Amino acid sequence: QSALTQPRSVSGSPGQSVTISCTGTSSDVGSYNYVSWFQQYPGKGPSLIIYDVTKRASGVPGRFSGSKSGNTASLTISGLQAEDEADYYCCSYAGPYIPYVFGTGTKVTVL
Amino acid sequence: EVQLVESGGGLVQPGGSLRLSCAASGFTFISHAMHWVRQAPGKGLEYVSGISITGGTTYYANSVKGRFTISRDNSKNTLYLQMGSLRTEDTAVYFCARDLNGSGNLWGQGTLVTVSS
Repeated sequence: QSALTQPRSVSGSPGQSVTISCTGTSSDVGSYNYVSWFQQYPGKGPSLIIYDVTKRASGVPGRFSGSKSGNTASLTISGLQAEDEADYYCCSYAGPYIPYVFGTGTKVTVL
Repeated sequence: EVQLVESGGGLVQPGGSLRLSCAASGFTFISHAMHWVRQAPGKGLEYVSGISITGGTTYYANSVKGRFTISRDNSKNTLYLQMGSLRTEDTAVYFCARDLNGSGNLWGQGTLVTVSS
């Protein structure tokens, strides 16, 4: 089972919007509305920000939003802030045998 | 406090074995599927293994199938990962996680496993 494809890095200035793509296949992202996004700071465990493609986790600011089209899910950060500088990973349900697959990860840099 | 605390990591030689534990507290452990996810140094997250609420169904990534065994003791609120025939490429921080999809997701802080001679 191959990892979902994410851009290695994206960057933006404070206040700008950035979008991270997460491309899978018809066996994972394309088949299920169970895509999650996690934020990870260096040396820390991941933290949930989006689940079920579009739902924000408790306490997550409204500037984070998720969407999906076909085999590609996306995470958009609107109004980028310094504290958003972190690594971001998508994760999709992939069926009953190996149930989850992660994305390759994207480093977000706030310029 | 709702938390997951991993333990059992360390340095092990290639071919060796290690058992990781994940102690859950602050929530009803038996109500949640549990998973192990690892992260090699400087790399991304990789799904390793998962187990159903009762322990009756288990899942393994192809990279660890036949070498790792996941289990849980619901009376002790603890998740385990028995790792055998360890390889250098198994070197990683191992996280336990609750509910990888849905709002109930929770992660531990991770435990480092180093496979080296």
